[in-house]
Amino acid sequence: NAGVMQNPRHLVRRRGQEARLRCSPMKGHSHVYWYRQLPEEGLKFMVYLQKENIIDESGMPKERFSAEFPKEGPSILRIQQVVRGDSAAYFCASSPTGTGSTEAFFGQGTRLTVV
Amino acid sequence: AQSVTQLDSHVSVSEGTPVLLRCNYSSSYSPSLFWYVQHPNKGLQLLLKYTSAATLVKGINGFEAEFKKSETSFHLTKPSAHMSDAAEYFCVVSDGLISNAGKSTFGDGTTLTVKP
Repeated sequence: NAGVMQNPRHLVRRRGQEARLRCSPMKGHSHVYWYRQLPEEGLKFMVYLQKENIIDESGMPKERFSAEFPKEGPSILRIQQVVRGDSAAYFCASSPTGTGSTEAFFGQGTRLTVV
Repeated sequence: AQSVTQLDSHVSVSEGTPVLLRCNYSSSYSPSLFWYVQHPNKGLQLLLKYTSAATLVKGINGFEAEFKKSETSFHLTKPSAHMSDAAEYFCVVSDGLISNAGKSTFGDGTTLTVKP
């Protein structure tokens, strides 16, 4: 059973471009979470999604950031018009259920560098 | 609401000596608590977790942690440090049984340095 798969592992974008980060949850997991880790900091929750639904986006920046988890395919975190401050590691986690899960499983992360 | 405080941003030990990484938490409900390790430019690896079973939790690579409700602490220890233990360590709290495990709160991390 493959773990949570994120791609790409490293992404370089110029200011103003769009960044698309992908996350395939573990098999059988229908709950996905995105976190951002700024340099020298811990991970901060961004958004929680189930298939075709955003459950909690309380940690998402109000502009330029969006996330989806379609019925088929991976979850996508999209950052439009990237700026230098978006440079960070973005981690995805998945769990088999929402309430009642005692652990989420993390991917290896995507390191976004904005130049 | 939940929060976690890692009391030391940097810890330095000599190889072969004990390791203590301190973590205090607050949670409105019975929490689930985790320690993760992150090596430079790598992903997160789960060391151990507490989910309301035994208060002394044993993890991988010789690490263990003790849940102390009266002190709201979940300190990570290892009897003898190895050079390969040098990494960033995160204490994580989750109201998993009430909310969900994925919406966890991470501490700011403790950087462990191991000197030869």
